[in-house]
Amino acid sequence: DIQMTQSPSSLSASVGDRVTITCRASQSISNYLAWFQQKPGKAPESLIYAASSLQSGVPSKFSGSGSGTDFTLTISSLQPEDFATYYCQQYISYPLTFGGGTKVEIK
Amino acid sequence: VQLVESGGGLVQPGGSLRLSCAASGFTFSSYWMTWVRQTPGTGLEWVASIKQDGSQKYYVDSVKGRFTISRDNAKNSLYLQMDSLRAEDTAVYYCAISDFCVYWGQGTLVTVSS
Repeated sequence: DIQMTQSPSSLSASVGDRVTITCRASQSISNYLAWFQQKPGKAPESLIYAASSLQSGVPSKFSGSGSGTDFTLTISSLQPEDFATYYCQQYISYPLTFGGGTKVEIK
Repeated sequence: VQLVESGGGLVQPGGSLRLSCAASGFTFSSYWMTWVRQTPGTGLEWVASIKQDGSQKYYVDSVKGRFTISRDNAKNSLYLQMDSLRAEDTAVYYCAISDFCVYWGQGTLVTVSS
C-alpha cells in the first residue's frame, strides 16, 4: 500500500499569509494526486486533481505542484474562509490512500 | 451535481445496513464511484470503488468479505451493503464521484454499538 504523509499536521497562520502544505508518497505516484479542503461539520471538497489542475470553481489562490513522491499545496494569500483541514490523496493504485490531514488555524 | 446519501443509523455489532447514494446532475453511468468514510474527529479512509459498468470493484482490506459495493445505472444510484458490522465501522460514510473524488455527498452517519 502507498502511504501518504502530510506535513505539518497543523499550522497557525494569519490572514494574508502564504501557506504551503507538503504531501509525500511512500513510492512514486506520478501526478495521481488530489487535494481536498474540509471545514468542520461539512463534507470534503475537491480543490486540485492531477497534482496541479485546479478543480472548476476553485479560486486561483490555490495551487498545487509536484510529481513522483513530493507534492505541495499552496494558498497564496490566506483568507478567513480558508481556515480548514486539508487532505491529499493518491489515486494511482488501490487501495486509495489519504494523508493524515493538515489543520490550518488562525494565529 | 448532487449526491445524496441515505440509510445510515444505529445498528448492533454483527448487524447489517445498506447505504444508498442518489446521484443527479451528471451522467452517472460514465463515472467510477467511490465510498469514503470518516471516523468522527479523524481523517479520511477510502472504503470501496466501482467501475462504470460494475465489472470491477475494489475494497479496503478491513471491509473485504463484509461490505459489497454495487450500482444501478438505470436508477442513478450507488449502494454499499454492510454486513457483520463492527464498532470500528462507526463513521460518516460519503459517496464521491470518481476515484479522485471530484464531488462528495453530505454523508450519512453509521453508528455500530450495543
